[in-house]
Amino acid sequence: KAGVTQTPRYLIKTRGQQVTLSCSPISGHRSVSWYQQTPGQGLQFLFEYFSETQRNKGNFPGRFSGRQFSNSRSEMNVSTLELGDSALYLCASSPQWNTEAFFGQGTRLTVV
Amino acid sequence: GESVGLHLPTLSVQEGDNSIINCAYSNSASDYFIWYKQESGKGPQFIIDIRSNMDKRQGQRVTVLLNKTVKHLSLQIAATQPGDSAVYFCAENGDSGGGADGLTFGKGTHLIIQP
Repeated sequence: KAGVTQTPRYLIKTRGQQVTLSCSPISGHRSVSWYQQTPGQGLQFLFEYFSETQRNKGNFPGRFSGRQFSNSRSEMNVSTLELGDSALYLCASSPQWNTEAFFGQGTRLTVV
Repeated sequence: GESVGLHLPTLSVQEGDNSIINCAYSNSASDYFIWYKQESGKGPQFIIDIRSNMDKRQGQRVTVLLNKTVKHLSLQIAATQPGDSAVYFCAENGDSGGGADGLTFGKGTHLIIQP
């Protein structure tokens, strides 16, 4: 069974631009969650989707948004990029909510 | 908010010895805990999980212990191998009643294997 796939693996964007990251969960998994990882703040929860509905959102500004499609694939969007948004963005999928979460390799976003 | 923490940022062990990585959590409502291993340049890899109705769970070469009285979680790795070198994170999922709040991660312990 294929794992969680995130695209692209690497991105370089300029301040003020927007970016869209994609995540394909493990087949059959209905829950997708997103995390931001930085050296200073560690792994922080962004949001979680289950059956196309956002179940919860972490403590991030409204510039961070996401969605989930009917095939469980998910995208997250960051608008008006800031230098501090440079991070590894990780997607995790779970069969149901509150069960084991399996992570993808992440998308390394660099904002210059 | 409440958070999960690890006691040591770095742990160095001899190859072949057993490793014990500790984690303290503060959310008494947490009912599900996971240990992850993250190697450089990769996403976190699921190792083992445990629910709050259990005290101990064993996997292949790994054991997780949960002490709810003192809110302490530990990961034991038997016969540590060079491939075990990585950063280990504990994570907890404490549903605050409004639905899943996502995983809260500790800061991580870097396990270094000495030859």
